[in-house]
Amino acid sequence: GESVGLHLPTLSVQEGDNSIINCAYSNSASDYFIWYKQESGKGPQFIIDIRSNMDKRQGQRVTVLLNKTVKHLSLQIAATQPGDSAVYFCAEIDNQAGTALIFGKGTTLSVSS
Amino acid sequence: AAGVIQSPRHLIKEKRETATLKCYPIPRHDTVYWYQQGPGQDPQFLISFYEKMQSDKGSIPDRFSAQQFSDYHSELNMSSLELGDSALYFCASSLQGREQYFGPGTRLTVT
Repeated sequence: GESVGLHLPTLSVQEGDNSIINCAYSNSASDYFIWYKQESGKGPQFIIDIRSNMDKRQGQRVTVLLNKTVKHLSLQIAATQPGDSAVYFCAEIDNQAGTALIFGKGTTLSVSS
Repeated sequence: AAGVIQSPRHLIKEKRETATLKCYPIPRHDTVYWYQQGPGQDPQFLISFYEKMQSDKGSIPDRFSAQQFSDYHSELNMSSLELGDSALYFCASSLQGREQYFGPGTRLTVT
């Protein structure tokens, strides 16, 4: 069978390592997915998004992978830096039902130098 | 670039009191969303407005109401406050349902 990354509530990495944060989404009809970064006491900040007709999208130091078969989303951060320490949330939208974000459980990323 | 503005940033109220939170979206954005985030929780959608009309409704209690005004700012009115209403309240805005930009939030503490 296919291996699916588990969601972890916390992830600790060393500076310079690559980080992978996983998310399982709930609605098979969702067609738009977004990763947000939230620093303590601040609002969620957009990182990268992907539409359901794609399976991979790359940004600056970040890559999002979408596996619709198993409803799984992952965020890869290359060369993780201390400034990447935050809580990361995935969110989904089913545009047929509306444009409100449905957030998944967050993962707290801690980067040590 | 202009961001979403929320006021106040912090608010302390007692049980059964009322509170009003304000949100000023990014200029020219036509949609405003309200989210509630309890301690250690993920944000939960409450309600949204598109062009001053309510567009979606989430898990907003009946004690809460919201509206969007002619200048596109929005207010979330909360009555009969309960201890469980203590949370961060975020407003987000978007243009035509695209990427949502979040404000800094209002931290509401009910004692």
